[in-house]
Amino acid sequence: EIVLTQSPATLSLSPGERATLSCRASQSVSNYLAWYQQKPGQAPRLLIYDASNRATGIPARFSGSGSGTDFTLSISSLEPEDFAFYYCQQRGTWPPTFGQGTRLEIK
Amino acid sequence: EGQLVESGGGLVQPGRSLRLSCEASGFTFDDYAMHWVRQAPGKGLEWVSGISWNSGKIDYADSVKGRFTISRDNAKNSLYLQMNSLKAEDTALYYCAKSRGLIAPGPFDYWGQGTLVSVSS
Repeated sequence: EIVLTQSPATLSLSPGERATLSCRASQSVSNYLAWYQQKPGQAPRLLIYDASNRATGIPARFSGSGSGTDFTLSISSLEPEDFAFYYCQQRGTWPPTFGQGTRLEIK
Repeated sequence: EGQLVESGGGLVQPGRSLRLSCEASGFTFDDYAMHWVRQAPGKGLEWVSGISWNSGKIDYADSVKGRFTISRDNAKNSLYLQMNSLKAEDTALYYCAKSRGLIAPGPFDYWGQGTLVSVSS
């Protein structure tokens, strides 16, 4: 199965700063990579699908890029509500797999 | 806006069975693949099983293959997960998730709030 490795494990930033989260696949997943946000006690929420497409209702400060094995989720200017866990997920090859997550915390 | 509501979780002894249900509303259920994703306490997300729109394609994670069975009833807008021979490592919050397509395993654009399964003697 494809292993997704997210880095860093924890990212400490301040509101207004730019966040850059990475997801690396053990083999190519083409552009079949999604990003989710999860806050404590809540279900995950789809942010980005197919590497760079924002899901319905997702603010423009969230953007995704990459293809093949290297992907990035960027948040242009952090809002207080953006501090959460972020997971990447691939659907390029069965079984679908998730990364281990990045915790975005307030500095 | 689509909604998914899971039920059926609880405390169960190792080796016993449990059946989870997920009721969907707000979208055309039989137009989409559906999946179960779980999250152990304090851990990340793990895909468990998925079923295509017409039940023609079904797949399982290796960790549950042979023990869990996924099914759906399009007439009732419902998804199910029959879990047999439960183990302590199956303890998790189980989410029902809707895929954006007929067959593909994601992306998952609607999620339920989850139902908690605890396996312990």
